[in-house]
Amino acid sequence: GAVVSQHPSWVICKSGTSVKIECRSLDFQATTMFWYRQFPKQSLMLMATSNEGSKATYEQGVEKDKFLINHASLTLSTLTVTSAHPEDSSFYICSARDGDRAGKTYGYTFGSGTRLTVV
Amino acid sequence: KQEVTQIPAALSVPEGENLVLNCSFTDSAIYNLQWFRQDPGKGLTSLLLIQSSQREQTSGRLNASLDKSSGRSTLYIAASQPGDSATYLCAVQALADYKLSFGAGTTVTVRA
Repeated sequence: GAVVSQHPSWVICKSGTSVKIECRSLDFQATTMFWYRQFPKQSLMLMATSNEGSKATYEQGVEKDKFLINHASLTLSTLTVTSAHPEDSSFYICSARDGDRAGKTYGYTFGSGTRLTVV
Repeated sequence: KQEVTQIPAALSVPEGENLVLNCSFTDSAIYNLQWFRQDPGKGLTSLLLIQSSQREQTSGRLNASLDKSSGRSTLYIAASQPGDSATYLCAVQALADYKLSFGAGTTVTVRA
């Protein structure tokens, strides 16, 4: 089945530094990937849609200059949290819609998530 | 805006009991509905996907039904096991833009 690999699984960084999270589709090409944020005991909130070869589209209230998204290839999207602050500490999860293979059911596959702690 | 509600928020049952998890959504213009499992600190694992034209899907001990017109889906887990303990999330994919809307989840504890 479709596999999405996300790295790192956890990261601790100092306030003011930047952190990059990678999301790769391993066995399919994903023209579109999605980035979510999850607070403790809450559900997932969509942050942005990452489009291969074009600019990401951000959900209302998400700062595009703080959360930089790059989707340079059909299998890789990256999320960079710039000038991180403690309030950016959260669980970040990426996903891809498995609809780029002909005949495949268009469901979503998720990465394993990244726990970001800013100290 | 799509609103997805999951009831109950938490459930604790003894091993062997059947589980019934409910999901409701407000906008019936959906492409499909997916049930996911999330273990603490982990990503999401897809359990079942039901296309909007389907009424149910089954996989092993899992069965999910969909009534699109009434905006409801139910996940049944037969003969629960301690390994079924997790949070179960319901997500609907919008027909217009294929974006997912999630419920808050049902946290299940199966006691040995």
